[in-house]
Amino acid sequence: AQSVTQLDSQVPVFEEAPVELRCNYSSSVSVYLFWYVQYPNQGLQLLLKYLSGSTLVESINGFEAEFNKSQTSFHLRKPSVHISDTAEYFCAVSGGNTGFQKLVFGTGTRLLVSP
Amino acid sequence: GAVVSQHPSRVICKSGTSVKIECRSLDFQATTMFWYRQFPKQSLMLMATSNEGSKATYEQGVEKDKFLINHASLTLSTLTVTSAHPEDSSFYICSARPPNRFAGLNAYEQYFGPGTRLTVT
Repeated sequence: AQSVTQLDSQVPVFEEAPVELRCNYSSSVSVYLFWYVQYPNQGLQLLLKYLSGSTLVESINGFEAEFNKSQTSFHLRKPSVHISDTAEYFCAVSGGNTGFQKLVFGTGTRLLVSP
Repeated sequence: GAVVSQHPSRVICKSGTSVKIECRSLDFQATTMFWYRQFPKQSLMLMATSNEGSKATYEQGVEKDKFLINHASLTLSTLTVTSAHPEDSSFYICSARPPNRFAGLNAYEQYFGPGTRLTVT
């Protein structure tokens, strides 16, 4: 079955520093990839997605992620984080042997931004 | 566009009672809705997939008689936790998926509700 690995459960970082949140998935066939952000006691908000085309995708608030098929990765990066970026970040994938209807989520990475 | 609401946002109920959670797609028709459960500091676990007008498909290990799902219309799905117990306390999140080529929305995306915090005492 499809699986998603987020190796870092928590990433502490200082404000204005760069950050990378890692995500690897198991399928080697066609997939769609997503990053969601969750603030405390809230639902999930889509941050960015890769469906096809350019392997580098960007969000409106400065995050970007690059689809790397050979390494089956979709790491999330931001060159300079803000306090308000503190949240839980989930990588998700659909496709492969799970099919495109369902999303499989990683275990999440808590980003902690301190002043 | 693509707004999904859930009601209630928080509910506290006594052990043994049943509680219903509603999930609505406000500005699009959702042929498929999903129900997830999230324990504190953990990821989302898919409980079931519901398609309008048909029975829900439950994931392995999820008791269908305990978690009743009804997807009666293209904009509403309900999850009823029957005979709730303290171990059912959790954060329940729904999501909705539009049909193909609906008003510019992507049929491969899921749009999430804000979640419902259930506490069973």
